[in-house]
Amino acid sequence: EVQLVQSGAEVKKPGESLKISCKASGYSFTTKWIGWVRQMPGKGLEWMGFIYPGDSDTRYSPSFQGQVTISADKSISTGYLQWTSLKASDTAIYYCARVLGGDLRGVHDYWGQGTLVTVSS
Amino acid sequence: EIVLTQSPGTLSLSPGERATLSCRASQSVSSGYLAWYQQKPGQAPRLLIYGASSRATGIPDRFSGSGSGTDFTLTISRLEPEDFAVYYCQQYGSSPYSFGQGTKLEIK
Repeated sequence: EVQLVQSGAEVKKPGESLKISCKASGYSFTTKWIGWVRQMPGKGLEWMGFIYPGDSDTRYSPSFQGQVTISADKSISTGYLQWTSLKASDTAIYYCARVLGGDLRGVHDYWGQGTLVTVSS
Repeated sequence: EIVLTQSPGTLSLSPGERATLSCRASQSVSSGYLAWYQQKPGQAPRLLIYGASSRATGIPDRFSGSGSGTDFTLTISRLEPEDFAVYYCQQYGSSPYSFGQGTKLEIK
């Protein structure tokens, strides 16, 4: 059974750093992309980017390029999303998802439960 | 960047009725690379349809997708109580892989 289990909710202050995680199981981690999607309070879904753990090929949405870093550790089947300096506007739920490859690259077929990040002074 | 516009914003229907949700793209979505997701309150999204018309594993056949180019439709043939949720379309034909703003399907 494919599962993506994300790290718990975080409360941070503006300017702090943060790294959240997404542990995958039930499939070969290095053969599918891991993507990240933001959902701000009461709003819709925003595609942030994804990484192919097999070779660390990473793609970002222009809206998030330079704002976050997507990474993965294939030795422990875990993907990461990190910030070096959080802003109040980063307050959101962040979902990781398995992303299919080939002609279906971009299809998010299994999702984590979401990690709520709250940034407040 | 391809912008997806979903309509209506909110759709009020009763169980048993047919729902038709629209997703229009600002430019042609190559090869019908369009997916639909369902999201219920407090839950992660769930993949319903990919490739414009292929149902994901385990999705009931009352859900169907159609369309090509810039106009796509998600149809729910006969609404069940558990179908009331927010629905998002997403294009994956060109990066960034944008989502529509969502259609809320509510009980009338």
